[in-house]
Amino acid sequence: DQQVKQNSPSLSVQEGRISILNCDYTNSMFDYFLWYKKYPAEGPTFLISISSIKDKNEDGRFTVFLNKSAKHLSLHIVPSQPGDSAVYFCAASAGAGGTSYGKLTFGQGTILTVHP
Amino acid sequence: DVKVTQSSRYLVKRTGEKVFLECVQDMDHENMFWYRQDPGLGLRLIYFSYDVKMKEKGDIPEGYSVSREKKERFSLILESASTNQTSMYLCASTPFTGGLVTDTQYFGPGTRLTVL
Repeated sequence: DQQVKQNSPSLSVQEGRISILNCDYTNSMFDYFLWYKKYPAEGPTFLISISSIKDKNEDGRFTVFLNKSAKHLSLHIVPSQPGDSAVYFCAASAGAGGTSYGKLTFGQGTILTVHP
Repeated sequence: DVKVTQSSRYLVKRTGEKVFLECVQDMDHENMFWYRQDPGLGLRLIYFSYDVKMKEKGDIPEGYSVSREKKERFSLILESASTNQTSMYLCASTPFTGGLVTDTQYFGPGTRLTVL
């Protein structure tokens, strides 16, 4: 039962254009969402997050949008750069209530390729 | 600087062998996690620990056990390795924040395990 889904295994974008990565979730208890970026032979690194009380969070070229009614979030990268080429994982947590222990549920990942 | 280290980057074992994967963090974090990453499946949680000698099953604990004798060290044990345990294994840690998830789940570089 995949509670966090990234339905696009890969995405190819031209340098300078916008990259949009999508993520859907089914568990209505999730209240915190994160995006991680992973290069080959390295562990994932945190990129950006959003709480369920917000619908948008921005950090430089990265913006995450949350649509709670649709149980959907997206990561926008503008402008895309070749160094952004990596695997992007969406993750979610049911943190409220003090029992999550920081436990995250991850999606399958989307391979982003940014062409020069 | 935050550091999670894993004992091996690459490991090749034979079916039936007992395998130990070691993870050490130097950030004094309470929570530690073991994931496996497989293409098309993303990161799946095997086990996690929220304190010394405490452990909780994740989503796919079958065939694995863990040990946390010291706060900084979390070991994953494959009691009798099988070919379907060939995977990338990732360790992560995060501090205790009263149960609230944080942005800072730090990952190690991963161990690529091949079981022949």
